[in-house]
Amino acid sequence: ILNVEQSPQSLHVQEGDSTNFTCSFPSSNFYALHWYRWETAKSPEALFVMTLNGDEKKKGRISATLNTKEGYSYLYIKGSQPEDSATYLCALHTGNQFYFGTGTSLTVIP
Amino acid sequence: KAGVTQTPRYLIKTRGQQVTLSCSPISGHRSVSWYQQTPGQGLQFLFEYFSETQRNKGNFPGRFSGRQFSNSRSEMNVSTLELGDSALYLCASSLRAGYGYTFGSGTRLTVV
Repeated sequence: ILNVEQSPQSLHVQEGDSTNFTCSFPSSNFYALHWYRWETAKSPEALFVMTLNGDEKKKGRISATLNTKEGYSYLYIKGSQPEDSATYLCALHTGNQFYFGTGTSLTVIP
Repeated sequence: KAGVTQTPRYLIKTRGQQVTLSCSPISGHRSVSWYQQTPGQGLQFLFEYFSETQRNKGNFPGRFSGRQFSNSRSEMNVSTLELGDSALYLCASSLRAGYGYTFGSGTRLTVV
């Protein structure tokens, strides 16, 4: 069992603030790290797939980095908007299965 | 194109009963995985099917089983339901193992 930790557990920010949260994992022995966004009453939606140390991905105001040597990935949201409110999940794929973190719940206050 | 379809959306069952959940993946996706989410827990992996074969299984008791049909549709069965089985069950499909998932909307199972 691989323990994927996400912090913080929840976050409240004002509209327009930039924010970031962390996904930590104990091993660099994995195929890929995935980020998902999960809005209430909807299905989790894929954001990024990252495989290499130093990977950086960007989608609009959201970006992510991966550091496999130190075992973490950061997700950044620039200029948060109310529609960014969701739970953000990271997951490691080891070749056999995905291991999900418990997520960071983001609330953006208008 | 149609997304991942899970049925039913909500289900209430009594302890000791059994239940079958269904998942239809995106057309062309041959890998189907099942996850359980309970309050305070991350998504817990149940099993993955690919081309009608179970490829991987998570750490769940034998009461949890599944299968995949030739059209890639998958079913999950839980027998002898316990109160602790109350959860959201998510199905996810992908082209191949390790590729990004497309998730269904889930089945909310309540065991009373």
